[in-house]
Amino acid sequence: DAKTTQPNSMESNEEEPVHLPCNHSTISGTDYIHWYRQLPSQGPEYVIHGLTSNVNNRMASLAIAEDRKSSTLILHRATLRDAAVYYCILRDSSDSNYQLIWGAGTKLIIKP
Amino acid sequence: EPEVTQTPSHQVTQMGQEVILRCVPISNHLYFYWYRQILGQKVEFLVSFYNNEISEKSEIFDDQFSVERPDGSNFTLKIRSTKLEDSAMYFCASHNPGQGTQFGGYTFGSGTRLTVV
Repeated sequence: DAKTTQPNSMESNEEEPVHLPCNHSTISGTDYIHWYRQLPSQGPEYVIHGLTSNVNNRMASLAIAEDRKSSTLILHRATLRDAAVYYCILRDSSDSNYQLIWGAGTKLIIKP
Repeated sequence: EPEVTQTPSHQVTQMGQEVILRCVPISNHLYFYWYRQILGQKVEFLVSFYNNEISEKSEIFDDQFSVERPDGSNFTLKIRSTKLEDSAMYFCASHNPGQGTQFGGYTFGSGTRLTVV
């Protein structure tokens, strides 16, 4: 089972920032926090990942709580193309097989 | 940006028939995966493949399933005798812990929609 908890859905207005929360209270020291998204009828797409420090890339920012028991994916300026299901996944770096265990994710709805 | 390519995009097959789903992973990636997603459900892990052998498989990946990397570029998933419940989207992914998408992310293909009738 997935070790993360996310809201089922969220709504946001276009051009506004979006904060997608994820709880992972049982995270271990070797778990990386990964975020993926799945646009309608497409394969999952990597968004960002981090271990302890906040991370930024061209797609998003990842804010990780100091105790690492929660994290927030931040889309700085949502567009209609960001409407997707967003998945927060813990990936154990000590597991050489690196498989991903998926939850139900958060369906992000963007209103024009 | 490098892509994982999957063919065909849609496959319709009769129950009991064999199907082969094909994937071309990113060339310098070392780990390869198959996942599936039944309509409206979660993405499920099937199998991981590294160094020309299966490294892990899920309970779903029974004797009807097999994977192969026949020529160093293609990565295939074969279902020997398809069942109705095999109908799903099948996603191939590849990964290189030291490189790859954003130094750690997995790259997924667009998927093959398998419909068993």
